[in-house]
Amino acid sequence: DVKVTQSSRYLVKRTGEKVFLECVQDMDHENMFWYRQDPGLGLRLIYFSYDVKMKEKGDIPEGYSVSREKKERFSLILESASTNQTSMYLCASSYLSDTEAFFGQGTRLTVV
Amino acid sequence: DAKTTQPTSMDCAEGRAANLPCNHSTISGNEYVYWYRQIHSQGPQYIIHGLKNNETNEMASLIITEDRKSSTLILPHATLRDTAVYYCIVASFGNEKLTFGTGTRLTIIP
Repeated sequence: DVKVTQSSRYLVKRTGEKVFLECVQDMDHENMFWYRQDPGLGLRLIYFSYDVKMKEKGDIPEGYSVSREKKERFSLILESASTNQTSMYLCASSYLSDTEAFFGQGTRLTVV
Repeated sequence: DAKTTQPTSMDCAEGRAANLPCNHSTISGNEYVYWYRQIHSQGPQYIIHGLKNNETNEMASLIITEDRKSSTLILPHATLRDTAVYYCIVASFGNEKLTFGTGTRLTIIP
């Protein structure tokens, strides 16, 4: 089975901290994605990557950056966490040009 | 990508067929209809997709109208485990960037 693993299910961080959310997939997928999910807003794409060291902005990249040094790992970075970044963060992966994406379990981040 | 419209919520009795509608009146010729679902506390899960012909797999059936402006996802014998939020998404094939709306919250009633 395809597995997309996010490093933490729950995370609490302080305002201004630098936060790393890690995601690893084991299916050799080219594409990896970071979404955030908020009540009433659905899932919104933050960043995605279609290859190592490649990245593209999604719909809401402000306040975030990403890193993809290895094919299987895609990291989301909050340079200086703020309370409005409290959310559920979901990582996904897929083959190139394939719209069937596989999602991780999500990380619920609370910034206090 | 075209926008989709789905009811906010629906109920269905356990064992009955659950029919989830989706309107996508601005769909263009090269765009597919995709369905995902998200069970509470989990990430979304792919269900099915189609272009213009009806599709069936082990999870569900997808019925697309002839003018392609709407579609229906059918869960033939709903179980309590089918309680979830169902997302209808329209995207061109190979467009990996999926735009999720707020979906339909389906509740299966025992």
